[in-house]
Amino acid sequence: GAVVSQHPSRVICKSGTSVKIECRSLDFQATTMFWYRQFPKQSLMLMATSNEGSKATYEQGVEKDKFLINHASLTLSTLTVTSAHPEDSSFYICSAIWRGGGTDTQYFGPGTRLTVL
Amino acid sequence: KQEVTQIPAALSVPEGENLVLNCSFTDSAIYNLQWFRQDPGKGLTSLLLIQSSQREQTSGRLNASLDKSSGRSTLYIAASQPGDSATYLCAVRGNAGNMLTFGGGTRLMVKP
Repeated sequence: GAVVSQHPSRVICKSGTSVKIECRSLDFQATTMFWYRQFPKQSLMLMATSNEGSKATYEQGVEKDKFLINHASLTLSTLTVTSAHPEDSSFYICSAIWRGGGTDTQYFGPGTRLTVL
Repeated sequence: KQEVTQIPAALSVPEGENLVLNCSFTDSAIYNLQWFRQDPGKGLTSLLLIQSSQREQTSGRLNASLDKSSGRSTLYIAASQPGDSATYLCAVRGNAGNMLTFGGGTRLMVKP
């Protein structure tokens, strides 16, 4: 089956530093990936759509200069949280679209827990 | 704009009970609806996916139904077990693009 990985699974950083999170589709190519953010006991909120070879599309209210997305290959998208602050602490989950069997299915990564001190 | 609501937000039942989780959505023009399970601090596990043309899907003790015209879906869990304890999320995909809109989730606790 389609597998999506994220690295790191957990990261703790100091306020003001930048953190990069990787999302990989391990056994399929994904021209489209999504980045979600989940605060404690809340549901997933879509942050942006990552398109291979083009600029990401950000949802309303998400700062594109703060959350940099790079989808440089068909199996890798990265989310960089620049100048992280404590309010950026959250669970970040990516997903990748697998186009097979005539349907487009989203497969989710295991998530990355970011804690900003 | 699509809005997805899940009721109840939390549920606690004794082991062995059959239970129903509810999901409603405001825009009936959907491509499919998906139910996920999320364990604490973990990612999402897809349970069932119902295409817009389908009425229900079954997998083991799980059965999901879809009534697109009324904007509702239910997830039925038969003979619940403590291992079923988790947060259950429903998500709707619209006809344009692949974006999923998630409900707030139902936190289920099955007591031994």
